[in-house]
Amino acid sequence: EDKVVQSPLSLVVHEGDTVTLNCSYEVTNFRSLLWYKQEKKAPTFLFMLTSSGIEKKSGRLSSILDKKELFSILNITATQTGDSAIYLCAVEDSGNTPLVFGKGTRLSVIA
Amino acid sequence: NAGVTQTPKFRILKIGQSMTLQCTQDMNHNYMYWYRQDPGMGLKLIYYSVGAGITDKGEVPNGYNVSRSTTEDFPLRLELAAPSQTSVYFCASSGASRALEKLFFGSGTQLSVL
Repeated sequence: EDKVVQSPLSLVVHEGDTVTLNCSYEVTNFRSLLWYKQEKKAPTFLFMLTSSGIEKKSGRLSSILDKKELFSILNITATQTGDSAIYLCAVEDSGNTPLVFGKGTRLSVIA
Repeated sequence: NAGVTQTPKFRILKIGQSMTLQCTQDMNHNYMYWYRQDPGMGLKLIYYSVGAGITDKGEVPNGYNVSRSTTEDFPLRLELAAPSQTSVYFCASSGASRALEKLFFGSGTQLSVL
């Protein structure tokens, strides 16, 4: 009974392609959804989403949350080989429980 | 600033051996966490602590123990190492918020149990 489900689990694209990564969740009292990029070591923060319909953007990456349908997407346009990483989605609820992670999407961008 | 210091970086254990992964932070953070990450997978929470003297189980606590005698230190103990514990372990800490945005990670420990 995964609470945070990411899809696809892995993805191989060519440089220049646009990709969309999905994260669906189920928590009792939603507080925030977070996206992370993990290359070789510890995850690095990308976005925190708390409100539906408001796109967060950073360069070629963008993300949006749909609290009604309980999912978020992470878009990467004009992919580069440096985008190759595991992308992690995590959800925080407003109770006293820690973040719940999805299994991640392993993205490979080939030249 | 040192941040979160995690040792060792690499370790190979034989089945049945025990070891302690050390984690210390110098930011006076209340929250500390231990995660494990299996190849190609996300982070799974092993144990966490919301302050000195308080620890709680995470998603995958079996085979591990923790203690939090001080704010700075949060060691993770493996009593009887098993091959299933082969993984990369991350220690992390945060201040007032549990949100990962404010989480500081150690550099990770790659553990192999053979």
